[in-house]
Amino acid sequence: KQEVTQIPAALSVPEGENLVLNCSFTDSAIYNLQWFRQDPGKGLTSLLLIQSSQREQTSGRLNASLDKSSGRSTLYIAASQPGDSATYLCAVLNSNSGYALNFGKGTSLLVTP
Amino acid sequence: GAVVSQHPSWVICKSGTSVKIECRSLDFQATTMFWYRQFPKQSLMLMATSNEGSKATYEQGVEKDKFLINHASLTLSTLTVTSAHPEDSSFYICSGIRGGNQPQHFGDGTRLSIL
Repeated sequence: KQEVTQIPAALSVPEGENLVLNCSFTDSAIYNLQWFRQDPGKGLTSLLLIQSSQREQTSGRLNASLDKSSGRSTLYIAASQPGDSATYLCAVLNSNSGYALNFGKGTSLLVTP
Repeated sequence: GAVVSQHPSWVICKSGTSVKIECRSLDFQATTMFWYRQFPKQSLMLMATSNEGSKATYEQGVEKDKFLINHASLTLSTLTVTSAHPEDSSFYICSGIRGGNQPQHFGDGTRLSIL
C-alpha cells in the first residue's frame, strides 16, 4: 500500500525567505504526483502536477521536482509571502490504485510579515 | 475550466439525521468521482470511488450502507450519510476526473457537524 509522508509537518518562516517542502512515497509505480494547497476549512487548489516521466514543473514562484526512483518530491517556494500561508498537500496517483490519489498529511506553512 | 461544485458547504444537524451532499462537475463530464474524508490535522482519506451508472467501490472500513453513493449521471454524484452520529463529523470532499489518469478536480468540501 502506498504511503506518502510529508516533512516537516509545520513550518514558520519570515516573509521573503525561500523554502522547501518535502514529500516521500514508498511505491515508485506512480502515474503522477500533485501538489495542492488547502486553506483552513476549504477545498483543494491544484498547484503543480508532475507526470512520472517528468523531473520538474514550474509555475510562478513554485517549482516542484520529482525523483521517482528514490520516491521523493520537493516543492520549492521562492520569495515567500504571507498569502502563501496554508497547508500544502502532496498526493500520488498509482498505476494500480484505480485513479484515486494517495495523500500525505500535509505541511502547515505560516509566513510571517 | 474543470470546475467541481459541492453543496452544501456546511451542515449542522442532530444525531440520527440523514444528510445528502452533492458533487457536480460544471463544465466537464466526470466518468469517475471520488469521495474523501478529512479529520482535523489528518490527510484526506479515500472513502469510495464511483463510476457513472455503476455501483460505488468502497475502501476497506467504510460502511456502504451508511455512506450511500449515487452517480446517476456524468455530472452529478451524491453522498448520503445515513443516520449520522457525532463520530461522522468530518470534512467531506469530492473530486471528479474526465477519465484515466487525468488530473482530479476537487470541490470546496462540506463540513459536517453532528450534534
